[in-house]
Amino acid sequence: DQQVKQNSPSLSVQEGRISILNCDYTNSMFDYFLWYKKYPAEGPTFLISISSIKDKNEDGRFTVFLNKSAKHLSLHIVPSQPGDSAVYFCAASVVASGGGADGLTFGKGTHLIIQP
Amino acid sequence: DAGVIQSPRHEVTEMGQEVTLRCKPISGHNSLFWYRQTMMRGLELLIYFNNNVPIDDSGMPEDRFSAKMPNASFSTLKIQPSEPRDSAVYFCASSWGSSEQYFGPGTRLTVT
Repeated sequence: DQQVKQNSPSLSVQEGRISILNCDYTNSMFDYFLWYKKYPAEGPTFLISISSIKDKNEDGRFTVFLNKSAKHLSLHIVPSQPGDSAVYFCAASVVASGGGADGLTFGKGTHLIIQP
Repeated sequence: DAGVIQSPRHEVTEMGQEVTLRCKPISGHNSLFWYRQTMMRGLELLIYFNNNVPIDDSGMPEDRFSAKMPNASFSTLKIQPSEPRDSAVYFCASSWGSSEQYFGPGTRLTVT
């Protein structure tokens, strides 16, 4: 049973336009959400995160939105650039009591292609 | 500033052989994670440590898999004996507490 789902295996967007990547989760215990970017033959690179006490977090061109009632989050990239072409993973975790770390549950990823 | 270091980057071995993957986390991080990526299952958590203590190994597929963290700067993931279905990319990641995890470049394991 997939607890984190990314239903679009790929997405093609024109350079300069907005890219919107979506993610749904089923486990209501998740309270910390992250987006990672991955190039071939490299490890995932952390992009941006959001805690469940917020509904939006921005970092430069990247914004993550969280809708807890819908168990849905999205990553917006504006404007999209050719270097953004990569696989994007949504991940979720439960912050352990005492603030300790917990493992991440990943979606299957969305391959974003930025067209020049 | 060095990131998470994994070795080897590639490993090709025959079925039945022992395989040891190594990881050096980022200095100062107190949590370490092992993940595996396959086409079928995607990225999945195998085991993680907090302050060198194993916390959750429920993702370890079988008793053939074991992981250790003898000190804060080193961890190993061992498969003995290896099987073709163990072929995957194995990632190590580290973090400070519940903050974001930083991943190493991965070890691509091929078992023939």
